[in-house]
Amino acid sequence: DQQVKQNSPSLSVQEGRISILNCDYTNSMFDYFLWYKKYPAEGPTFLISISSIKDKNEDGRFTVFLNKSAKHLSLHIVPSQPGDSAVYFCAASSDYKLSFGAGTTVTVRA
Amino acid sequence: DVKVTQSSRYLVKRTGEKVFLECVQDMDHENMFWYRQDPGLGLRLIYFSYDVKMKEKGDIPEGYSVSREKKERFSLILESASTNQTSMYLCASSPRLAGGNEQFFGPGTRLTVL
Repeated sequence: DQQVKQNSPSLSVQEGRISILNCDYTNSMFDYFLWYKKYPAEGPTFLISISSIKDKNEDGRFTVFLNKSAKHLSLHIVPSQPGDSAVYFCAASSDYKLSFGAGTTVTVRA
Repeated sequence: DVKVTQSSRYLVKRTGEKVFLECVQDMDHENMFWYRQDPGLGLRLIYFSYDVKMKEKGDIPEGYSVSREKKERFSLILESASTNQTSMYLCASSPRLAGGNEQFFGPGTRLTVL
């Protein structure tokens, strides 16, 4: 059973607007949460992470929010740019393992 | 820059064939991983290795084996390929196992088993 779920398979957003990607998890033992970005024909690349003891982490246009009580995290991209069009994977870390969600395909419209 | 390379981008094999997927990393990382990526399922861990000759099963090891004879190289072996092993295979490496272990991925091998 999947411990990390991304319930929106796709998201379309206009250039310059905010993209919000959501992720839910079930395992309360996860200690870190990560977001990866994947372009076609390339491997995923690390984007941003957050420790389970924090509720927010920001890096430039990317901010990740963690709500532990709801077992929910989100990635905000502001402003969205055409180069942000990609598949975004949410991942959660416990011991040595990363558990991944199914991914959300983001399309940024000009 | 960390570089993880995989021996083939595309591979087509017949049912029952033995298949080798090779992965090489150039950053002296201790840990290496093999995943498969399928639509709607994300990335699922097949095997990982935390040192030369050491390996651990991931979530879906059935039908696969691995080999790590050198630190920089991690091989995934399909002893007898089956059609349900048609997938995108991704190799990754990481300098550490615990605490938000950022993994660096190769470009993937798309394997089709006919």
